[in-house]
Amino acid sequence: EPEVTQTPSHQVTQMGQEVILRCVPISNHLYFYWYRQILGQKVEFLVSFYNNEISEKSEIFDDQFSVERPDGSNFTLKIRSTKLEDSAMYFCASRSSRGAEGEQFFGPGTRLTVL
Amino acid sequence: AQKVTQAQTEISVVEKEDVTLDCVYETRDTTYYLFWYKQPPSGELVFLIRRNSFDEQNEISGRYSWNFQKSTSSFNFTITASQVVDSAVYFCALQGDQTGANNLFFGTGTRLTVIP
Repeated sequence: EPEVTQTPSHQVTQMGQEVILRCVPISNHLYFYWYRQILGQKVEFLVSFYNNEISEKSEIFDDQFSVERPDGSNFTLKIRSTKLEDSAMYFCASRSSRGAEGEQFFGPGTRLTVL
Repeated sequence: AQKVTQAQTEISVVEKEDVTLDCVYETRDTTYYLFWYKQPPSGELVFLIRRNSFDEQNEISGRYSWNFQKSTSSFNFTITASQVVDSAVYFCALQGDQTGANNLFFGTGTRLTVIP
């Protein structure tokens, strides 16, 4: 069964460093998402991506964040200069169809720890 | 605006007891979807169910059942004869049809602990 994969599973970095979180969505999916979950809190939407551009972003997704689909398979989230408060679990998701009908499939997450 | 409220922060039950997790939502979309996800200690999000706004039939899947009531904007989840493996955080989520990129809005989750 196709699934969304994410690498690495755990990333530890120093404050101020750049990190890139990688996701491989399900191959025929067209809509891609990043969500964030700070430890012990709810899952929050960061950004959605369609047709090689951002379609929507939350207030959390500031200038420190960027997303990219550099090739036909990967979908990346870059944090330019990490802060302590960026420590969280980051989930990638993908969806095949327009509208709310298509289910979002989540990856296993990347746990980011900023020291 | 989309909003999901899970008023129960933590619930503890003894094994084999039934437990109901509450979810109340707000949306202006006429078409929307409601979800429940399970997050075990390992951290991944496990999809449990999706229900669209036009289908108010209750659903049962093994020990799990869901009660969708549009009149009260609630989508409650019941686990019958709970087991220790049910211990996890459970999230209710809402996805609208007209709002933006159809991203999911999650509730704050309910931590369920099943005591052996």
